[in-house]
Amino acid sequence: GAGVSQSPSNKVTEKGKDVELRCDPISGHTALYWYRQSLGQGLEFLIYFQGNSAPDKSGLPSDRFSAERTGGSVSTLTIQRTQQEDSAVYLCASSSRSGGAIGTQYFGPGTRLTVL
Amino acid sequence: AQSVTQPDIHITVSEGASLELRCNYSYGATPYLFWYVQSPGQGLQLLLKYFSGDTLVQGIKGFEAEFKRSQSSFNLRKPSVHWSDAAEYFCAVGTNFGNEKLTFGTGTRLTIIP
Repeated sequence: GAGVSQSPSNKVTEKGKDVELRCDPISGHTALYWYRQSLGQGLEFLIYFQGNSAPDKSGLPSDRFSAERTGGSVSTLTIQRTQQEDSAVYLCASSSRSGGAIGTQYFGPGTRLTVL
Repeated sequence: AQSVTQPDIHITVSEGASLELRCNYSYGATPYLFWYVQSPGQGLQLLLKYFSGDTLVQGIKGFEAEFKRSQSSFNLRKPSVHWSDAAEYFCAVGTNFGNEKLTFGTGTRLTIIP
């Protein structure tokens, strides 16, 4: 079946512009995660959704970053007033979490963001 | 808070040789441990995971990993590497049955020489 998809695959923007990154999880997966991968910081957790709510936003680096999920499916990560340090690969993952059941996170190919 | 250490940044092995990638974790409760592989320009692919039970877990592509609680380790092994195994390997620890955030190590880049 289809895996996690992300769009765009690449995004180049100018400093100060806003960007939106999209994630389509595996159909039926209730949990969705955003991570960031950068040279200096490695793989960092950003935010986690269970359904449409976000129980853990602890990894969002500043208030310029926000995310939403609608219909328990698609998620959008928005970065306002982008800075050069926001340049990274943004990875999305989803899992079929259900109660105490064990979850495995399946990752998309990522969006490479370059801020000039 | 949990953490993961992968002490080897870069490893080079000959094709056909055995491989062991090291991973040490720190977590106060029951750890849920994962190994992922990332090929250039690709997302992360799950190799294997450990939740409980048998401490030796088998994964895809001929990989296995052994959980050693006394050493807080979860090392990845393969008896004979193939050129296609060249990639970056990440160890991760998860909480709450792996259903919440994963904390990743910094990764080990594997190079295979003919």
